Amino acid sequence: AQSVTQLDSQVPVFEEAPVELRCNYSSSVSVYLFWYVQYPNQGLQLLLKYLSGSTLVESINGFEAEFNKSQTSFHLRKPSVHISDTAEYFCAVTPIYNQGGKLIFGQGTELSVKP
Amino acid sequence: DGGITQSPKYLFRKEGQNVTLSCEQNLNHDAMYWYRQDPGQGLRLIYYSQIVNDFQKGDIAEGYSVSREKKESFPLTVTSAQKNPTAFYLCASRETQGSGNTIYFGEGSWLTVV
Repeated sequence: AQSVTQLDSQVPVFEEAPVELRCNYSSSVSVYLFWYVQYPNQGLQLLLKYLSGSTLVESINGFEAEFNKSQTSFHLRKPSVHISDTAEYFCAVTPIYNQGGKLIFGQGTELSVKP
Repeated sequence: DGGITQSPKYLFRKEGQNVTLSCEQNLNHDAMYWYRQDPGQGLRLIYYSQIVNDFQKGDIAEGYSVSREKKESFPLTVTSAQKNPTAFYLCASRETQGSGNTIYFGEGSWLTVV
């Protein structure tokens, strides 16, 4: 079985400050890793994913995440946040070898960017 | 535009009623999913379907039912047996070709029991 732990339920930061949203996972099998973002009253949008290859993955809006297999982590970072980054962020994993393709989610981190 | 359409966006249910949430996708994805979202609990899997005419229970299937008669459609019925149905419901489908194994979500439906 897999589980995902997002270590911070809320992260308040000031605009233009750096931010890190932490994600750890537990799994007995190899997994793919994802970060999704959810704006109020909307569905989830894929932010970035790690499937294989380089352990550092980037999104088009400046976020990046690094897969660390030894620490079973997939922390999300951004060097300078904007007000528009205020949202809830979910880390998720799915087993590489098909178990229905189910995503297992963390409980979410609410990022609040203040001016 | 390709995507996942959920309807209605907002739905009110009286005690003892069954209600059905619609989910349609035109992405040609084989697999579809229903998740429930409650504040502070992340997303929990209700049902999923990997192919037409087949579906499996997720972690919290009690009080829910689904059907998968067409590839494009995966409706969720919230029955009167579901004791606490007020929540945000998200439908999703999975891409298995190309970059592979990525799940995409609809815009969600709010269900409130009155």
